[in-house]
Amino acid sequence: EADIYQTPRYLVIGTGKKITLECSQTMGHDKMYWYQQDPGMELHLIHYSYGVNSTEKGDLSSESTVSRIRTEHFPLTLESARPSHTSQYLCASSEYNPDTQYFGPGTRLTVL
Amino acid sequence: QKEVEQNSGPLSVPEGAIASLNCTYSDRVSQSFFWYRQYSGKSPELIMSIYSNGDKEDGRFTAQLNKASQYVSLLIRDSQPSDSATYLCAVNYSARQLTFGSGTQLTVLP
Repeated sequence: EADIYQTPRYLVIGTGKKITLECSQTMGHDKMYWYQQDPGMELHLIHYSYGVNSTEKGDLSSESTVSRIRTEHFPLTLESARPSHTSQYLCASSEYNPDTQYFGPGTRLTVL
Repeated sequence: QKEVEQNSGPLSVPEGAIASLNCTYSDRVSQSFFWYRQYSGKSPELIMSIYSNGDKEDGRFTAQLNKASQYVSLLIRDSQPSDSATYLCAVNYSARQLTFGSGTQLTVLP
């Protein structure tokens, strides 16, 4: 059973607001990932981390930023939300390289 | 561009039938292959991983890998309505990340 948590589960916010999506895991995994997924569409990797103080951008360009100050915590921040940011954001973690990624429940973001 | 291709479906099968889902990938050096199930509005959950050529069975699920032909498939025996979901194929093209296909939507009809 994977123990990876995301908050909030749903967020509706106005344009221009700063938001932080939280992701935490209790499995001690070094590798963590953020994906963006629109309804019925593919998963796109936007950020990943190999460990504390290690972050890299994924294949899909994103205006969001991430940080990894603690192993268990991998928050994603949007400095100024726009309607184009409306999507589902999924956090995942894995123990070995990209193998066996465990996903959190996701945050569905709507920017008005 | 490393790619993972899946038929988007929808694939419909009657209850009790075998559902066959296919995935092709573009890079022969890939070593790890995964099938995830994603219910509508939910996050993906891992159902099978396979690393070697041949078949791997887990309950009603069988993953098949053919590296020479660069395809991986998932068979679901005795399909149940609860198997209705989108099935995502994922391949590791690098040690850093997985590449996901766009998924095949499966509907099992009662």
